[in-house]
Amino acid sequence: ETGVTQTPRHLVMGMTNKKSLKCEQHLGHNAMYWYKQSAKKPLELMFVYSLEERVENNSVPSRFSPECPNSSHLFLHLHTLQPEDSALYLCASSQAPAGTETGELFFGEGSRLTVL
Amino acid sequence: AQSVTQLDSQVPVFEEAPVELRCNYSSSVSVYLFWYVQYPNQGLQLLLKYLSGSTLVKGINGFEAEFNKSQTSFHLRKPSVHISDTAEYFCALKGQAGTALIFGKGTTLSVSS
Repeated sequence: ETGVTQTPRHLVMGMTNKKSLKCEQHLGHNAMYWYKQSAKKPLELMFVYSLEERVENNSVPSRFSPECPNSSHLFLHLHTLQPEDSALYLCASSQAPAGTETGELFFGEGSRLTVL
Repeated sequence: AQSVTQLDSQVPVFEEAPVELRCNYSSSVSVYLFWYVQYPNQGLQLLLKYLSGSTLVKGINGFEAEFNKSQTSFHLRKPSVHISDTAEYFCALKGQAGTALIFGKGTTLSVSS
């Protein structure tokens, strides 16, 4: 496998479910990111991990909980979501640590989340 | 505060026609500028970037962009588009002081025959 891989590609969950999104990067990068993509809105940066430490959390509701167990894996744990959380969740990585990189991010194909 | 404005939400063009996707930005500090492309059901892919130096930047798939500091613009151009260029295009900026990458809302390019 190469690049950034996200699973599952599609997820449907009820408001009371608990699920997780997984991201794995095979590029040897040092920083990983979660973005939320909603129709006709700018991509929203949710979380940034650099060298396995969380360095940014952009006022994301606590029903989203990230986890970065090592430099290659990033999870987004979901619980008690709302219908407005339905979106495409994109994972990305960058070679340089966050804050020093020149903006070149490598994205996965995304996980399409639908909350009923 | 920094912001990116993509002036057109949709741009329909015919195959082999030229195209320009417009992007304006606002920032009080020096910036790096980017265009990303998102094909249907895929993640974003870097098209080109301006870091410094020549204001005309060439990217993949025949695209180029010109950085205009006085007009705070970074418009994307291609002289002749193909059906396969149909995608969503995102302009983005990053402050040189290490802030996060900020994206515009995107422009949908639809190329028809």
